[in-house]
Amino acid sequence: SQQGEEDPQALSIQEGENATMNCSYKTSINNLQWYRQNSGRGLVHLILIRSNEREKHSGRLRVTLDTSKKSSSLLITASRAADTASYFCATDANDYQLIWGAGTKLIIKP
Amino acid sequence: DTAVSQTPKYLVTQMGNDKSIKCEQNLGHDTMYWYKQDSKKFLKIMFSYNNKELIINETVPNRFSPKSPDKAHLNLHINSLELGDSAVYFCASSRKPAGEKLFFGSGTQLSVL
Repeated sequence: SQQGEEDPQALSIQEGENATMNCSYKTSINNLQWYRQNSGRGLVHLILIRSNEREKHSGRLRVTLDTSKKSSSLLITASRAADTASYFCATDANDYQLIWGAGTKLIIKP
Repeated sequence: DTAVSQTPKYLVTQMGNDKSIKCEQNLGHDTMYWYKQDSKKFLKIMFSYNNKELIINETVPNRFSPKSPDKAHLNLHINSLELGDSAVYFCASSRKPAGEKLFFGSGTQLSVL
């Protein structure tokens, strides 16, 4: 299946700073999801944003969606060491399948 | 209670062997999946079952055969293992096939020697 694109591939910031990662996709969507994967673990769902929504918040997470540009961004505010992980976006290609981005590896330096 | 559990966590085996990975979910979900994650972290859907019925079967060699004895279980059997099968395999489930968040197992790291 096709891959979405995430940008940057890797991001290293100081603890307390904000982290922003972007996801672009190719086809029209019903919704877009963000997941986190800690090293050696399974993926954990963070947030789902529907195509008729522009912004969604969950704790320190803020997700935006721009369907005209076919892109989404995930902002993590006041980063912590525990936020070190890979972050993936996924869009629904059809009724049964998600298309996944390649992931952004986020490192939070103490 | 683990929502999606898969076993084993690690599997090291020789080329040509046959192995199985088991997956169980206790969330009451209708849909279950097998994903393969390669060394570059790309996630690729392999199979999806909804109510024990196969709904996605991506281009996967015939050596891979999923089996869903009931809604809560989706096992993956692999025949004649090859070096290229080395990867992390994830089981996942969702309430229904579309527009829902996925719950993932912790993965099975398969190493074929």
